Amino acid sequence: DAGITQSPRHKVTETGTPVTLRCHQTENHRYMYWYRQDPGHGLRLIHYSYGVKDTDKGEVSDGYSVSRSKTEDFLLTLESATSSQTSVYFCAISEDSPNQPQHFGDGTRLSIL
Amino acid sequence: AQTVTQSQPEMSVQEAETVTLSCTYDTSENNYYLFWYKQPPSRQMILVIRQEAYKQQNATENRFSVNFQKAAKSFSLKISDSQLGDTAMYFCAFMWGNQFYFGTGTSLTVIP
Repeated sequence: DAGITQSPRHKVTETGTPVTLRCHQTENHRYMYWYRQDPGHGLRLIHYSYGVKDTDKGEVSDGYSVSRSKTEDFLLTLESATSSQTSVYFCAISEDSPNQPQHFGDGTRLSIL
Repeated sequence: AQTVTQSQPEMSVQEAETVTLSCTYDTSENNYYLFWYKQPPSRQMILVIRQEAYKQQNATENRFSVNFQKAAKSFSLKISDSQLGDTAMYFCAFMWGNQFYFGTGTSLTVIP
């Protein structure tokens, strides 16, 4: 299995508080991604990174920011959490070569009350 | 923009029978890759099978095979000899330029 660790695995917080989710990889892969998974929507891309300090927005980036200061870590921050951001968040990694699939972490269940 | 459509939100199959999950996609690109992922109740995302668009031969992995119709932009997954452990959400995914696009998923239940 690909070495991807997401932390925390579960979190409950209140509206308006900042939240940071961490994704750590041991595979030295160039690409890292954050998705959210909601019923009826599948996985939707929030942000992705193609190298240290290189990030770009995905389909549902509003209300989220990311940072990647090291190859192995990709952080997702909700500056002021809202109830609409209650979701399961997945981190994924992939190599920089064609036909390579994404490998996923185990997900973080985030509940915002 | 690339889009992926899975038109079957839920399906069921008797154990040991065969089931086919549908996926269509829309793209103007020529060289891309397609994947099926499985998500059991444990929530893990597990790669099931992959297909390169430039290959005409359909990919197979044990009991899993695909029917790839490039002109029709169709990529269905066939599961033979269904097992109880196949109960899961199945996501079709399209890859181009290191970006992945996922369908909304099909929930498959294998009935004993």
